[in-house]
Amino acid sequence: AQSVAQPEDQVNVAEGNPLTVKCTYSVSGNPYLFWYVQYPNRGLQFLLKYITGDNLVKGSYGFEAEFNKSQTSFHLKKPSALVSDSALYFCAVRDSSNYQLIWGAGTKLIIKP
Amino acid sequence: DGGITQSPKYLFRKEGQNVTLSCEQNLNHDAMYWYRQDPGQGLRLIYYSQIVNDFQKGDIAEGYSVSREKKESFPLTVTSAQKNPTAFYLCASSHNQGSTEAFFGQGTRLTVV
Repeated sequence: AQSVAQPEDQVNVAEGNPLTVKCTYSVSGNPYLFWYVQYPNRGLQFLLKYITGDNLVKGSYGFEAEFNKSQTSFHLKKPSALVSDSALYFCAVRDSSNYQLIWGAGTKLIIKP
Repeated sequence: DGGITQSPKYLFRKEGQNVTLSCEQNLNHDAMYWYRQDPGQGLRLIYYSQIVNDFQKGDIAEGYSVSREKKESFPLTVTSAQKNPTAFYLCASSHNQGSTEAFFGQGTRLTVV
């Protein structure tokens, strides 16, 4: 079955430190992968996507993600965290059978001053 | 401004009542989606529409209904058959399915009183 896993419910990082939010996937064929961010009581905002090409994808607000085919992972990263990065982050992969997105459960990122 | 608008932001429903959540987009997107978000869970797809006058059931369509009479509009009705309707509902649209990012509305929080 096709799926997405975000193994950490919550990640705590000190401001200025690098951050990583993990995502692994299982999908048939070539994966189409996405990261979104959600602030409290708001809709989701698109951060970045991997369709093909370079394994390191750069996105909005200084975020980037590394696609690793052998490990079936697509971890979200940022070199230096800001308090304003605190939010809920979702990883998603396109279902190859119906082209709908399969969502991870989300990871709450807390950046402490 | 281009975007996707959901209304109302908060909605209260008495048990046994049907309610309709509005979703309008002026992005000229073909595809539109309704998701349900519960605490600690990822987004679950209720219904989606790829084109006007066509829509498909998602993973949790029971107790919900939709229409797509216009490209810009994709209203969701939560019927009395939905046994646990209290949730945060998100509408989204995309240029086409799967390969392009989705744009989300700000959400409607529905509470059964």
